[in-house]
Amino acid sequence: AQSVSQHNHHVILSEAASLELGCNYSYGGTVNLFWYVQYPGQHLQLLLKYFSGDPLVKGIKGFEAEFIKSKFSFNLRKPSVQWSDTAEYFCAVAGNQFYFGTGTSLTVIP
Amino acid sequence: DTEVTQTPKHLVMGMTNKKSLKCEQHMGHRAMYWYKQKAKKPPELMFVYSYEKLSINESVPSRFSPECPNSSLLNLHLHALQPEDSALYLCASSQGPSGLLSYEQYFGPGTRLTVT
Repeated sequence: AQSVSQHNHHVILSEAASLELGCNYSYGGTVNLFWYVQYPGQHLQLLLKYFSGDPLVKGIKGFEAEFIKSKFSFNLRKPSVQWSDTAEYFCAVAGNQFYFGTGTSLTVIP
Repeated sequence: DTEVTQTPKHLVMGMTNKKSLKCEQHMGHRAMYWYKQKAKKPPELMFVYSYEKLSINESVPSRFSPECPNSSLLNLHLHALQPEDSALYLCASSQGPSGLLSYEQYFGPGTRLTVT
């Protein structure tokens, strides 16, 4: 069975701190991987995606993620967060189904 | 700006009402989706349409009835809803149908539904 887990449910950071949000999945086959962001009151937006190739992918707004196949992980990173990064972050994995993780709520304190 | 539009933005309905949610995508995608999202939770898949045909129904109660009039439009007809159906209803689209559910999905802003 396919599943996605995000262990960080709520993260609080000060501005300029570095961010890493964890995402782990279980699936034996080939997967496509995504990170979505949902700002307060706004729709889900695609931050970045990985299909194949370079396991380090860069997305919008300075975010990046690294696919580590041996660890079944696709962690999201940003070197220096801003107050405007406050949002819900969802990892998603597409194998034979499209699954969202449970989400991480990020609060950035000015 | 999103290329998936949804109307209305907000909807309040009684348990005996009939209403419809509408979604339109302008990206030429052949797969469209309905999701239900509760606050601070991930979207839950309800229905998937591929080439205007219903491909996936995730055991959704019959009080929710989807319709896909053409490749750009997706409706969700609502009848006799319960208060627990109050949620944000999201429409999404993706390229397809080959590799359905494998590609990134683009989401509309949602309809905030309140059932009284």
